[in-house]
Amino acid sequence: NAGVTQTPKFQVLKTGQSMTLQCAQDMNHNSMYWYRQDPGMGLRLIYYSASEGTTDKGEVPNGYNVSRLNKREFSLRLESAAPSQTSVYFCASRHSGTSKNRGLNEQFFGPGTRLTVL
Amino acid sequence: QKEVEQDPGPLSVPEGAIVSLNCTYSNSAFQYFMWYRQYSRKGPELLMYTYSSGNKEDGRFTAQVDKSSKYISLFIRDSQPSDSATYLCAMILTGGGNKLTFGTGTQLKVEL
Repeated sequence: NAGVTQTPKFQVLKTGQSMTLQCAQDMNHNSMYWYRQDPGMGLRLIYYSASEGTTDKGEVPNGYNVSRLNKREFSLRLESAAPSQTSVYFCASRHSGTSKNRGLNEQFFGPGTRLTVL
Repeated sequence: QKEVEQDPGPLSVPEGAIVSLNCTYSNSAFQYFMWYRQYSRKGPELLMYTYSSGNKEDGRFTAQVDKSSKYISLFIRDSQPSDSATYLCAMILTGGGNKLTFGTGTQLKVEL
């Protein structure tokens, strides 16, 4: 199993350009998440998808859109990139449900995409 | 004020030392508590998970939760250079849709 994969690994954009970050998981997980990680800010949730066909806003959704293409894939789109979106982006996935069972609450993270907007 | 506060470090210790990493939180509705480890230029990976007050041990790692004080800790015994990483605490709200709220992370370096 590859787990959670993300493409590209690195990207440099100019202000105003658009791009899509791709994420895929092969663990048959229901839920998927997009985070950004900035120095001094920790990981912040951008959008999430609790199940195929649903998406919801997280803590910092402005400037982003998402698509849950199917159960495996969850993409993040920047329509008009801004320097404030320079960050490391992580995708994560989780099985389903809530309980005291670690296996149902653990989020598995991808390797990240380092994005610089000039 | 952030919901979860964590000292960013960096924290530098000699090999073999006992390391204590801490987080405080403000929302008493946080129910599940986790510690993630993140190596440089990698994604976070779950290290410890607990949902009740008290201690939970896994090898050299012990997670401690004090819900009355809204305080969680991770202890690392006999620290190794391979433990050098950033440690992030994370929490889930009761009925919060399993969304994680992270601390900012503490950077740890274990030196030979």
